[in-house]
Amino acid sequence: DPKIIQKPKYLVAVTGSEKILICEQYLGHNAMYWYRQSAKKPLEFMFSYSYQKLMDNQTASSRFQPQSSKKNHLDLQITALKPDDSATYFCASSQEFERLFFGHGTKLSVL
Amino acid sequence: GDSVTQTEGPVTVSESESLIINCTYSATSIAYPNLFWYVRYPGEGLQLLLKVITAGQKGSSRGFEATYNKETTSFHLQKASVQESDSAVYYCALGGPNAYKVIFGKGTHLHVLP
Repeated sequence: DPKIIQKPKYLVAVTGSEKILICEQYLGHNAMYWYRQSAKKPLEFMFSYSYQKLMDNQTASSRFQPQSSKKNHLDLQITALKPDDSATYFCASSQEFERLFFGHGTKLSVL
Repeated sequence: GDSVTQTEGPVTVSESESLIINCTYSATSIAYPNLFWYVRYPGEGLQLLLKVITAGQKGSSRGFEATYNKETTSFHLQKASVQESDSAVYYCALGGPNAYKVIFGKGTHLHVLP
């Protein structure tokens, strides 16, 4: 059973639209993260949350907004989508910022 | 800033040959860096291979080893004899107890020929 669930697995969007990427973890961890990986680029850290509180933010654009409705949820809302936002978005979790456990990712394509 | 640089791939070796994937790091904002190697096997998610949190210590897993060298700011991944099943993408990573994030290198794609 996957312990970190990301939905959807694949997502196609048009330029200018808004999408929400879902992430839930069932590991009982207190920290959650979003990472992004584009073609031929490194795995890029975006946000980290602990107990639903933002701990670090490396994403310059305000179009990316994490949303944490519960301790084990960390969704990612992306507004005014651009083709450059096309990437695979990975959710991860950890206990006390130790070893990361990753989801399988949501592959976003913006046309 | 904080960063990780690792061997550019792809790296191709034959089964039973030795392997080294280089990794160096820069930890300007992390006081006590923790170093990691993560791996993504084909069709699987990214997972931890090994971790070392103390300078001078060595970590090992699945026949792979890496030593945390604070003097050279390196954390090279080595294996004496690779197997075809080791074919994967390997990521060196840097974190810390109060870093609130883990910084990854670009990844090294390893192909092991039978």
